[in-house]
Amino acid sequence: KNQVEQSPQSLIILEGKNCTLQCNYTVSPFSNLRWYKQDTGRGPVSLTIMTFSENTKSNGRYTATLDADTKQSSLHITASQLSDSASYICVVSDRGSTLGRLYFGRGTQLTVWP
Amino acid sequence: EADIYQTPRYLVIGTGKKITLECSQTMGHDKMYWYQQDPGMELHLIHYSYGVNSTEKGDLSSESTVSRIRTEHFPLTLESARPSHTSQYLCASSDQGASYNSPLHFGNGTRLTVT
Repeated sequence: KNQVEQSPQSLIILEGKNCTLQCNYTVSPFSNLRWYKQDTGRGPVSLTIMTFSENTKSNGRYTATLDADTKQSSLHITASQLSDSASYICVVSDRGSTLGRLYFGRGTQLTVWP
Repeated sequence: EADIYQTPRYLVIGTGKKITLECSQTMGHDKMYWYQQDPGMELHLIHYSYGVNSTEKGDLSSESTVSRIRTEHFPLTLESARPSHTSQYLCASSDQGASYNSPLHFGNGTRLTVT
């Protein structure tokens, strides 16, 4: 069964600290892995998209890594800011059909305290 | 920031009413999607469209219907709202399918409450 599991479910850190969010998946055949940020009351916004051949991709203070062998990804946030408080959603796409489909994790709720 | 708009942002309605949730995008994307999201849960695909006059049901059983008469417009209709329809509805679009590396662009959602 194709699944995406994220951990931790929630996380509280102090402003300025770093943190790492985890994503494990069983989706096959794999096409790409995406990280989205969803602020409260808003729609998700794309942070990164990685294909099988990419090990790491950065977007400002956000760095995503992908290990396609172990089917794991992480999102590292450096020097956290209050505006980083949000839900971070891992999404994996398969290539089992012509256009593929997306499998969503339940997200990690990050709270950054001053 | 992506140009995809949903209205209304919030809707409280009584059981049995007919409602239409609006979604429009100005990016010329062929692919459009409706997702349902409950607190702490993953997004579930309820409808999608790969172009004008093309609509398909998603993974989550839904009593809603959609139409795609124009590229930019993808409304979702509930003929008879029930309390079980209470949820957040997110519209999204992309220029290519999920197996390609183009991101989904989401609207800010409609929070529906059926009393």
